[in-house]
Amino acid sequence: EVQLVESGGGLVQPGGSLRLSCAASGFTFSRFWMSWVRQAPEKGLEWVATIKQDGSEKYYVDSVKGRCTISRDNAKSSLFLQINSLRAEDTAMYFCARSLGGSGVAWGQGTLVTVSS
Amino acid sequence: DIQLTQSPSFLSASVGDRVSITCRASQGISTYLAWYQQKPGKAPNLLIFAASSLQSGVPSRFHGSGSGTEFTLTISSLQPEDFATYYCQHLYDYPITFGQGTRLEIK
Repeated sequence: EVQLVESGGGLVQPGGSLRLSCAASGFTFSRFWMSWVRQAPEKGLEWVATIKQDGSEKYYVDSVKGRCTISRDNAKSSLFLQINSLRAEDTAMYFCARSLGGSGVAWGQGTLVTVSS
Repeated sequence: DIQLTQSPSFLSASVGDRVSITCRASQGISTYLAWYQQKPGKAPNLLIFAASSLQSGVPSRFHGSGSGTEFTLTISSLQPEDFATYYCQHLYDYPITFGQGTRLEIK
């Protein structure tokens, strides 16, 4: 069974940092593009970042460029998102997703990030 | 950036109704479009990929069509479990974007 389990969310003060993790199981992680998508409370879905299978290509939404780094460890079947200089508008549920938009898509259940003083 | 505009944003309908949701792209995206259903507190669930291909396990009452800039998700006969929020998403290039969502509620 394909599983994606996010962790690392929590309450953080503005200007702080967090490292989100996504542990993958049930499939060959190294064969898939992986992404992070977020959803602010009562709002729509927002794509955040995507990384190629070998990590050689990375893409970010403009609002996080320079503050976020997506990375992966294929040996450990894990995906990461480092977010720095956190702002109130970064408050959201962060989902890990495999093959976003394609037939092989899979989603985790999310980890909640709350930015507040 | 490619913008996706869904209409309507809110839809009230009854069990058994046929409903359609439109997603318009700000520029041509061929058939690089997906549709998701999301229920409160849950991750999105893929319904349609490549504009018109039904994801495995999704009931056949869901139908996707379109190409270029205009796309439609049709539910042929609403069931109680279909009341949820629906999003379109393109994967034509980066940045990937989603439509703003269509909330489907029971009349």
